[in-house]
Amino acid sequence: GQQVMQIPQYQHVQEGEDFTTYCNSSTTLSNIQWYKQRPGGHPVFLIQLVKSGEVKKQKRLTFQFGEAKKNSSLHITATQTTDVGTYFCAVTQGGSEKLVFGKGTKLTVNP
Amino acid sequence: EAGVAQSPRYKIIEKRQSVAFWCNPISGHATLYWYQQILGQGPKLLIQFQNNGVVDDSQLPKDRFSAERLKGVDSTLKIQPAKLEDSAVYLCASSLVGSYNSPLHFGNGTRLTVT
Repeated sequence: GQQVMQIPQYQHVQEGEDFTTYCNSSTTLSNIQWYKQRPGGHPVFLIQLVKSGEVKKQKRLTFQFGEAKKNSSLHITATQTTDVGTYFCAVTQGGSEKLVFGKGTKLTVNP
Repeated sequence: EAGVAQSPRYKIIEKRQSVAFWCNPISGHATLYWYQQILGQGPKLLIQFQNNGVVDDSQLPKDRFSAERLKGVDSTLKIQPAKLEDSAVYLCASSLVGSYNSPLHFGNGTRLTVT
């Protein structure tokens, strides 16, 4: 079935350091969405990427979709304590409407 | 706009008992999803409705789980009988159209503990 690998599983950084999480698939993806889940909260939509090589920015967050549409990354510049949470990628493949979530990367930030 | 409403927030039951969760999606959202999130894992899709029709229920354990979406609005998810491994957060989400084109809006979830 459709699977997506997300790495790393955990990341601990000092406040002000950068952070990157990667989402990888063995098959071509139709689109990819990124979500953030704060501790005790529910996933909140961040961005959707559809086009090959697409790059989108939201303040300190940069999202990239690979040229082959098989991988994606989320990069946070100069992390803040408010960035704490688990970041999930979620993908659709082929003609399927099914959105499959990765296992997430849990980010902790030391002030 | 009002968000996705779910109830109850918490539920504790004994194994072999039954339980039901309720979800009211964002007004006008055609697609409704039930996800199961076990601690430390990503959400796993149980069932997806488009209006009141089922789009995908391939990962729904149909021997014990059932879901319905009457009149294409509210939805209920039932577990009968519950097992220990059903302990998880059950998240309801809705989107304007299918997940290919629109983001999912999640409710706060129902945390189920089966003892």
